[in-house]
Amino acid sequence: QKEVEQNSGPLSVPEGAIASLNCTYSDRGSQSFFWYRQYSGKSPELIMFIYSNGDKEDGRFTAQLNKASQYVSLLIRDSQPSDSATYLCAVNMENTDKLIFGTGTRLQVFP
Amino acid sequence: EAQVTQNPRYLITVTGKKLTVTCSQNMNHEYMSWYRQDPGLGLRQIYYSMNVEVTDKGDVPEGYKVSRKEKRNFPLILESPSPNQTSLYFCASSFARADTEAFFGQGTRLTVV
Repeated sequence: QKEVEQNSGPLSVPEGAIASLNCTYSDRGSQSFFWYRQYSGKSPELIMFIYSNGDKEDGRFTAQLNKASQYVSLLIRDSQPSDSATYLCAVNMENTDKLIFGTGTRLQVFP
Repeated sequence: EAQVTQNPRYLITVTGKKLTVTCSQNMNHEYMSWYRQDPGLGLRQIYYSMNVEVTDKGDVPEGYKVSRKEKRNFPLILESPSPNQTSLYFCASSFARADTEAFFGQGTRLTVV
């Protein structure tokens, strides 16, 4: 089992819809969770981070964490074509100084 | 401007010829790391450093070396590159630990022939 798993996609949604991206992780003791966005040919940039169970909202983005089920998700409301990118889930495993990335989900928002 | 700078951006080299990819950050970050990104495999951590003179292996350290003699610099050294090290490499830095936001450099696309 991979430490951090994501569906590679592509996930295609129409403009204005809600895009839902999911990530599961294997280390039950993980404490820190991140969502990075990576445009083609560019470096990753942080979108959201979440440490506690529940929802965290920032503008059109909402991160959801469920530690009991070991998943973290990212919701993008009112999706725009400019949101088209690969979204990387990253997890800081318990008692390590490593950051483990999933393989990413490619999101396509069509007009 | 706060940034992480990698050089070179593109490099084509031959098998066995030693090379160094430089990484420098101007944010006074303690934590720095190197990743390689390959299709279908995502970002994998090669080495990381918690502070000056403190380095540790990530998930794919074989064939790589690093050093952290100064806080701002964290070069990646390939002593004898091989074709399987052809990849896109990213350097990143964080304020304190792996559980804080990582800022990435622009990437270095390395081809080993």
